[in-house]
Amino acid sequence: SSELTQDPAVSVALGQTVRITCQGDSLRSYYASWYQQKPGQAPVLVIYGKNNRPSGIPDRFSGSSSGNTASLTITGAQAEDEADYYCNSRDSSGNPHVVFGGGTKLTVL
Amino acid sequence: EVQLVQSGAEVKKPGESLRISCKGSGYSFTSYWISWVRQMPGKGLEWMGRIDPSDSYTNYSPSFQGHVTISADKSISTAYLQWSSLKASDTAMYYCARPLTEHAFDIWGQGTMVTVSS
Repeated sequence: SSELTQDPAVSVALGQTVRITCQGDSLRSYYASWYQQKPGQAPVLVIYGKNNRPSGIPDRFSGSSSGNTASLTITGAQAEDEADYYCNSRDSSGNPHVVFGGGTKLTVL
Repeated sequence: EVQLVQSGAEVKKPGESLRISCKGSGYSFTSYWISWVRQMPGKGLEWMGRIDPSDSYTNYSPSFQGHVTISADKSISTAYLQWSSLKASDTAMYYCARPLTEHAFDIWGQGTMVTVSS
């Protein structure tokens, strides 16, 4: 089982705002990173660190964190944002291991 | 262009051995760890472990320790993931990934599909 917990599925109306969350003890100490994965494709990093977007990622994607919960917010969701989203971070054991959340399937209605 | 290029799809029988590869280009291969990530059919991402190509130091997830071996040949900028005895449950897509920061993977290989079936 994953040490990072995500809701399995979330939906959003086209153009509206959606928040995808990730919970875990390690998030009290480490930032989460967020990935978008579309069918048949490798994951793409969309948010890392406090709230950083790699080059080419639209500014409608943003990240935040509070306590043991990290959030990915998409402001003005587009049809092309429909995908699986994964968070990851260090695990909570103190070892230099990485852990992924179980993933959230985002549907844009 | 910074990229990781993985070896092609494999179809193997249970009990067989296998090594898949991940070749880095466009950057200093020894300056970044390489991680391996498993994705079973219809399932999520699982971190398997990582290697520092500069000295071949490895870390493994407890879930994968002892089941796979991660190695690297820095002379040809290539990391490897290998199995000594495959099982049907090893059927999955395997990705290699390079971190931008410790666990933020900004560069991913295209994936290698491994199918284990009798």
